Amino acid sequence: GAVVSQHPSRVICKSGTSVKIECRSLDFQATTMFWYRQFPKQSLMLMATSNEGSKATYEQGVEKDKFLINHASLTLSTLTVTSAHPEDSSFYICSAQGAGKQFFGPGTRLTVL
Amino acid sequence: GENVEQHPSTLSVQEGDSAVIKCTYSDSASNYFPWYKQELGKGPQLIIDIRSNVGEKKDQRIAVTLNKTAKHFSLHITETQPEDSAVYFCAASQGGKLIFGQGTELSVKP
Repeated sequence: GAVVSQHPSRVICKSGTSVKIECRSLDFQATTMFWYRQFPKQSLMLMATSNEGSKATYEQGVEKDKFLINHASLTLSTLTVTSAHPEDSSFYICSAQGAGKQFFGPGTRLTVL
Repeated sequence: GENVEQHPSTLSVQEGDSAVIKCTYSDSASNYFPWYKQELGKGPQLIIDIRSNVGEKKDQRIAVTLNKTAKHFSLHITETQPEDSAVYFCAASQGGKLIFGQGTELSVKP
């Protein structure tokens, strides 16, 4: 139980384009999902909290117009990186909250050329 | 806000030995402390967690202890195996949002 999937697992895009990452809770419903970014050899940095049916809450320093989050259902949240630049290249990981715990997806490796 | 410090940053042990990773937190209101294992290129996997009303929890070879007064908690892995090699993260939470420690890279040598 408590399986979270992400799609795609890796994506390469050109600078200036937008990329959408999907996060799904497969066997439970998640009112709250979280989006993290992780640079090599570093810890997870929370970007935003995604609540089903309402606007996401962004952490300080995270541009909400650049990282668009949509939590349209109890099993799906999406993160869209708009106008991506090379500095946005990172490992993006989502988590879904269930039974008071956070379960993480496998991550999406984004490379912006 | 909450701040979590984790030590050591790297830990190398011989197969069969025990490994201990320690974390301290700053916000006494934090009440939930999970530990995650992250293998290279993968997402973190929840391995054990503890809530503030409990001092110790054990699951087979892993255990977590919590000292609320001192605001620190530790992960103990006994009889380590090469497949335990990974990066381990502690975290502290109140109300859902997790604040992570810096991570410990554990290497278990056969």
